[in-house]
Amino acid sequence: NAGVMQNPRHLVRRRGQEARLRCSPMKGHSHVYWYRQLPEEGLKFMVYLQKENIIDESGMPKERFSAEFPKEGPSILRIQQVVRGDSAAYFCASSPRAGTDTQYFGPGTRLTVL
Amino acid sequence: SQQGEEDPQALSIQEGENATMNCSYKTSINNLQWYRQNSGRGLVHLILIRSNEREKHSGRLRVTLDTSKKSSSLLITASRAADTASYFCATDAKGAQKLVFGQGTRLTINP
Repeated sequence: NAGVMQNPRHLVRRRGQEARLRCSPMKGHSHVYWYRQLPEEGLKFMVYLQKENIIDESGMPKERFSAEFPKEGPSILRIQQVVRGDSAAYFCASSPRAGTDTQYFGPGTRLTVL
Repeated sequence: SQQGEEDPQALSIQEGENATMNCSYKTSINNLQWYRQNSGRGLVHLILIRSNEREKHSGRLRVTLDTSKKSSSLLITASRAADTASYFCATDAKGAQKLVFGQGTRLTINP
């Protein structure tokens, strides 16, 4: 059973471009969580999704950021009109059920905004 | 808002010594977890301790939890150079599905 997959692993964008980060959960997992890690800091929760539904987006910036987890395919975190402050590592975790004791993390996508 | 805070922020010890890191949090929890992160890499789950547990062991790791003080400690015994990494505690909040991470402790093991 493959682990949580994220791609790309590294992404470079210029200011004003769009960034799309993908997360494929572990097989059988229908719950996905996105976290952001700024340099030298811990991870910060962004959004929690189940298939086709956003359950908790309390950590997501109100503008430019959106997330989806369609019925088919990976979860997507989309950042529009990126700014330098968006440079960070973005981690996805998946779980087979709601809860914090079964979240499995992916390797992360490191976004650099030039 | 709830926040896990690790102490110290950085720790440097000699190989073979024991390393102790502490974590404090603010609200009631169901469980507390410790993770390791090597520089520029992903998270490795180390251990989970539930709110009704006081101590847990896994290999060279020993975790304690004191819910009355809202604190936890991670002890790594007989440290090795490969233990060099950042260590994070993560807590949940009863009723919430998200993990709240501390700022981490950067551990350096000197050969």
